[in-house]
Amino acid sequence: DTAVSQTPKYLVTQMGNDKSIKCEQNLGHDTMYWYKQDSKKFLKIMFSYNNKELIINETVPNRFSPKSPDKAHLNLHINSLELGDSAVYFCASSQMDRVETQYFGPGTRLLVL
Amino acid sequence: GQQLNQSPQSMFIQEGEDVSMNCTSSSIFNTWLWYKQDPGEGPVLLIALYKAGELTSNGRLTAQFGITRKDSFLNISASIPSDVGIYFCAGQGDYKLSFGAGTTVTVRA
Repeated sequence: DTAVSQTPKYLVTQMGNDKSIKCEQNLGHDTMYWYKQDSKKFLKIMFSYNNKELIINETVPNRFSPKSPDKAHLNLHINSLELGDSAVYFCASSQMDRVETQYFGPGTRLLVL
Repeated sequence: GQQLNQSPQSMFIQEGEDVSMNCTSSSIFNTWLWYKQDPGEGPVLLIALYKAGELTSNGRLTAQFGITRKDSFLNISASIPSDVGIYFCAGQGDYKLSFGAGTTVTVRA
């Protein structure tokens, strides 16, 4: 009964490639998020969607494009991958009126070579 | 963006010890949070604080929301091996969370 799931768990790819990470939540939440955790473990929000609409976009390069086909899914597509994109990407979800109570997925470990 | 300063950055503790960590911010938050991240997993909410001065416990964990609304601390009493992990403070504002850099806790058996 996984609450927030992400695929893949590991992703190793070459510079310049395009890749996607998928996220699904079965908690019935209306808001989903993408975070990036760098090598120093710093956790920073990238995007937030509420009912399929983008509400937060935190100065993220245009190469990153989130897509929310429905409330339960938020995917992240990355074009022209760069070395600096290597990080752990976490998906999370919550109710819009309970932003403090976010449920995180297990993370996707992206390594760009 | 909002800056949260968390200290210490890391700590080694003896099993059974009490430990403290704290977080300060340049901005006021209406809600302070403490999350824990176990190795290889995503963060999990431990404690949420909603009012200045509030002191809240969750088992062996106790957290307080500072009076100025710019700081919070977390105490862990009688630490055990499963307390290993990274503890993050976070402040909530503008429908998002701003996280501190984390305190990495390692327990010596």
